[in-house]
This record gives sequence, structure tokens and C-alpha cells, in this order.
Amino acid sequence: DIQMTQSPSSLSASVGDRVTITCRASQGIDNSLAWFQQKPGKAPKSLIYGTSSLQSGVPSKFSGSGSGTDFTLTISSLQPEDSATYYCQQYITYPFTFGPGTKLEIK
Amino acid sequence: EVQLVESGGGSVQPGGSLRLSCAASGYIVSDHHMDWVRQAPGKGLEWIGRTRNKYRGYTTEYAASVKGRFTISTDESQNSVYLQMNSLKTDDTAVYYCSRSPNGNIEDFWGQGTLVAVSS
Repeated sequence: DIQMTQSPSSLSASVGDRVTITCRASQGIDNSLAWFQQKPGKAPKSLIYGTSSLQSGVPSKFSGSGSGTDFTLTISSLQPEDSATYYCQQYITYPFTFGPGTKLEIK
Repeated sequence: EVQLVESGGGSVQPGGSLRLSCAASGYIVSDHHMDWVRQAPGKGLEWIGRTRNKYRGYTTEYAASVKGRFTISTDESQNSVYLQMNSLKTDDTAVYYCSRSPNGNIEDFWGQGTLVAVSS
């Protein structure tokens, strides 16, 4: 199975800041990488697929990049509602696997 | 508007069975792949299986943790997808989500989840 790691595991940032979350795959996954946002008690929300394509309705403050094994999610102009856990997922090979998550706190 | 609504969760003893339903509205369920993802209490997300769309013959894939015990199926007449869970273990305790995966995309819409609790 492809192992996904994320860093940092948690971070704290201020309103208006820009943050970057890193996701690494244990082997190359081309651009088959997605990002999800999950708030406590809620279902995950899809943000990005194909490494950098925004899902419909997702604001452009979210952006993704990378290729091969190393990927990033960048969130700009942080707002209190961006407080959540963010997960990456590879979907090039079954079983699809998620990273362990990055918990983002807005100070 | 695309909506997915899961149902069928509940409490069950180890070794028991449950069938979860995922009712879709706003699109034709057979046109897209459907994934099931679960989340144990306080833990991360775990992909557990997929049924491909009708054009791919409703073929299925499963995670090793559930293969041989869980079965995903589709009922076009109900516009629904099902997760039959047999031989349940305490480790299967989780919130179970269904999510739509169009070709070229992944898990773009999610249901609200249904809780399965396996304990004696």
C-alpha cells in the first residue's frame, strides 16, 4: 500500500496569514492527489483533486501543487472558518490511502 | 443539487451484520463511481471500498481490512448504493461515509455519515 505522510501534524496561525501543509507519498502517484477539509462532527469536504484542480465552489484561497511524491496545500488569507483538519489522499492505486491529517488552528 | 444520505447505522455485537444505505439525489447513481470511507472515533479517514459505475460493470475494490466481510452493491431503481457488513469486529466501530467519485475526480460530494458501533 502507498503510505501518505503529512507535516506538520498541527499548526497555529493568525487571521490573514498564509499557511502551507505538506503531503508526501511513499512512492510516485503522478498527480492523483486530493485534499479534504474536515470540521469537528462534520463530513469531509473536498477541496482539490488532481493535485491542483479546485472543486466547484471552493474559493481560490485554496491552492495545491506538487508532483510525484511531494505535494502541498496552501491556504491564503486565513479566516476563523478555515480552522479544521486537512487530509491528503492518493487515488492512483488501490487501496486509496489518506494522510494522518493536519490540524489547523486559527489564533 | 447533489445529495447523499446514509442510513442503517446502529449498535451491533461482534460477529453481527449491518447493511448501510447511501441514497443519492440530484444525479443518477449508476453514472459515477461511489466510495465508502470510514472514521473511527478520534481517528483519521480510512478508505474502505469502491463500486465503479455501470459502464465499468459495477466492479468493486476493497481495503484489506474489510475484504471478504464487506460487500458494496448498487440498486439503480432506488438510486442507492449499499454497504453490506458481515462478521463485524470492534475495530469496525466508526462513522461511515459514502462519497461520489466522477471520472477524473475523487469524492467530490459526501453524505453526512452514519455511526456503526460494534461492542458486546
